Amino acid sequence: GENVEQHPSTLSVQEGDSAVIKCTYSDSASNYFPWYKQELGKGPQLIIDIRSNVGEKKDQRIAVTLNKTAKHFSLHITETQPEDSAVYFCAASIGGNFGNEKLTFGTGTRLTIIP
Amino acid sequence: GAVVSQHPSRVICKSGTSVKIECRSLDFQATTMFWYRQFPKKSLMLMATSNEGSKATYEQGVEKDKFLINHASLTLSTLTVTSAHPEDSSFYICSAGLKGEQFFGPGTRLTVL
Repeated sequence: GENVEQHPSTLSVQEGDSAVIKCTYSDSASNYFPWYKQELGKGPQLIIDIRSNVGEKKDQRIAVTLNKTAKHFSLHITETQPEDSAVYFCAASIGGNFGNEKLTFGTGTRLTIIP
Repeated sequence: GAVVSQHPSRVICKSGTSVKIECRSLDFQATTMFWYRQFPKKSLMLMATSNEGSKATYEQGVEKDKFLINHASLTLSTLTVTSAHPEDSSFYICSAGLKGEQFFGPGTRLTVL
């Protein structure tokens, strides 16, 4: 089955600087890669996703890049703010158009933004 | 946007009792919902895939008689933890798929005394 590794496990960044979180996956058939933000005591919230037919996607301060050959994808957060502090999870699946496919999650990154 | 709710948000029960957790898709229909378990400072572990009108598919190592799942309608799936014990204490989260994305509920914190 799919295996997703995520690094680093913890990351502290000065407010205003950029943060990068990296994930690798094992199953070359995976084609859907979402990123979730989870705040303490809450469920994960989708912040951005990418499908294997594109290499990069950006939404304001957040961007995701995908390298299918190397089987890794990364989350980039620019101009970090204190409210970005949370745990971030990457995931991978063999996705269709309905969202009914199993997600395999990475181990999570605890991001702390230092004011 | 797509909203998924869970009820209750927090439950404390005595060992040996059963607890039911509800997962609802509020503004869309979901033929498939997923149930996850999350231990403190750990990742989400998929427990089972809940399919409307049919039996759930459980992940390896998850006891189907311990964690009963019912998906009776396109907007509701329930997880019942039967004869709960302290080791079942955890954060349980559901998700539902829509247009290629999965949306997660806010989670249910179960504490078994």
